[in-house]
Amino acid sequence: KQEVTQIPAALSVPEGENLVLNCSFTDSAIYNLQWFRQDPGKGLTSLLLIQSSQREQTSGRLNASLDKSSGRSTLYIAASQPGDSATYLCAAPNNAGNMLTFGGGTRLMVKP
Amino acid sequence: GAGVSQSPSNKVTEKGKDVELRCDPISGHTALYWYRQSLGQGLEFLIYFQGNSAPDKSGLPSDRFSAERTGGSVSTLTIQRTQQEDSAVYLCASSFSSQRGGRTQYFGPGTRLLVL
Repeated sequence: KQEVTQIPAALSVPEGENLVLNCSFTDSAIYNLQWFRQDPGKGLTSLLLIQSSQREQTSGRLNASLDKSSGRSTLYIAASQPGDSATYLCAAPNNAGNMLTFGGGTRLMVKP
Repeated sequence: GAGVSQSPSNKVTEKGKDVELRCDPISGHTALYWYRQSLGQGLEFLIYFQGNSAPDKSGLPSDRFSAERTGGSVSTLTIQRTQQEDSAVYLCASSFSSQRGGRTQYFGPGTRLLVL
């Protein structure tokens, strides 16, 4: 059974810092890994999906990497802004691709 | 285009009552998923629909929970005889065909259920 873990659970940084959020998974036979953002009281917004054949994906100030052999993914946020404050979740699909297993999330606070 | 929509956005009910939660997926998405997000459990998979195939109900926590998807589009999640531990945010997501490898899942805003 896939287990997904995110460290740290919470992070507070000053505006402008570059930061890294970590995600680890136990079953490395994944086809992709997805990163989401969740604002308080809101649903999930998809940020990036990395296919297993890729090592990283970039979208604006966000860069996500995937290392299947070590069971790790990282989300790098460059030049953080207060608007980046949210909970960030990573999720891995099962082999059939019909469900996602989510990590517990990293709650990010970027202080002005 | 329109994203995934869910209704109601909030629902307060009394213990023992039945509730129905609705999800309208993105047009053209053949796969639909229900998840539950609660304080103690994080995000948990409940049920999955793909086209006309039999749904994957492996995540439903008890037989009080059921879901259907009519016409391959709108889905309804029904909770019978609600219990206080059913209080959570119920999230619906949809994607294009969920073949091996999976596709990006797009989530709705959720329904916040409170059972008193």
